Amino acid sequence: DSGVTQTPKHLITATGQRVTLRCSPRSGDLSVYWYQQSLDQGLQFLIQYYNGEERAKGNILERFSAQQFPDLHSELNLSSLELGDSALYFCASSPTVLGNTEAFFGQGTRLTVV
Amino acid sequence: QQQVKQSPQSLIVQKGGISIINCAYENTAFDYFPWYQQFPGKGPALLIAIRPDVSEKKEGRFTISFNKSAKQFSLHIMDSQPGDSATYFCAALQERQGGKLIFGQGTELSVKP
Repeated sequence: DSGVTQTPKHLITATGQRVTLRCSPRSGDLSVYWYQQSLDQGLQFLIQYYNGEERAKGNILERFSAQQFPDLHSELNLSSLELGDSALYFCASSPTVLGNTEAFFGQGTRLTVV
Repeated sequence: QQQVKQSPQSLIVQKGGISIINCAYENTAFDYFPWYQQFPGKGPALLIAIRPDVSEKKEGRFTISFNKSAKQFSLHIMDSQPGDSATYFCAALQERQGGKLIFGQGTELSVKP
């Protein structure tokens, strides 16, 4: 167990809908990262937050947004969902801001868009 | 420039054999190269990592070899065991850019008893 908790584990929703994925980082970790894993694109970095502020951004679609709250948990919001958004979404956390050198991944949320 | 190319896509090794997975990168600004192991239904877990000022790092049965001039690095799993069967990802990072890990496409390793 990495100590990173993601909910829900599975999510099935229809095209056009909006969903929120939640991540609780390991105790004391200030950085949260979101990744998308799909068969065709592999593991893709989406976004990083550090202590409530956005620190790095990857290929995150405009339909997607994230935030980190004062208690350090993070949410990834996906809207106007398309079939192609079906993927595993991972959250990772680390104590530092500079990189994933000590990042630990959660078990992921499997999103299925039908 | 931002890609990390990983090969092979899949690998079958006999128990006790050596598993070798290779990665290549283009961006010379990368300064941290981790390997992750992922079991089905689980998130990736950090296995071992290296920085470009070192040519080799060993942790137990796992060794990273790093060739800075060729911009290549590889993972060697010695005495491979069935429990090592998993998907392995190499990755690269520019630490000053925060947590933007660039992952290879993954190698599915199967160790046969």
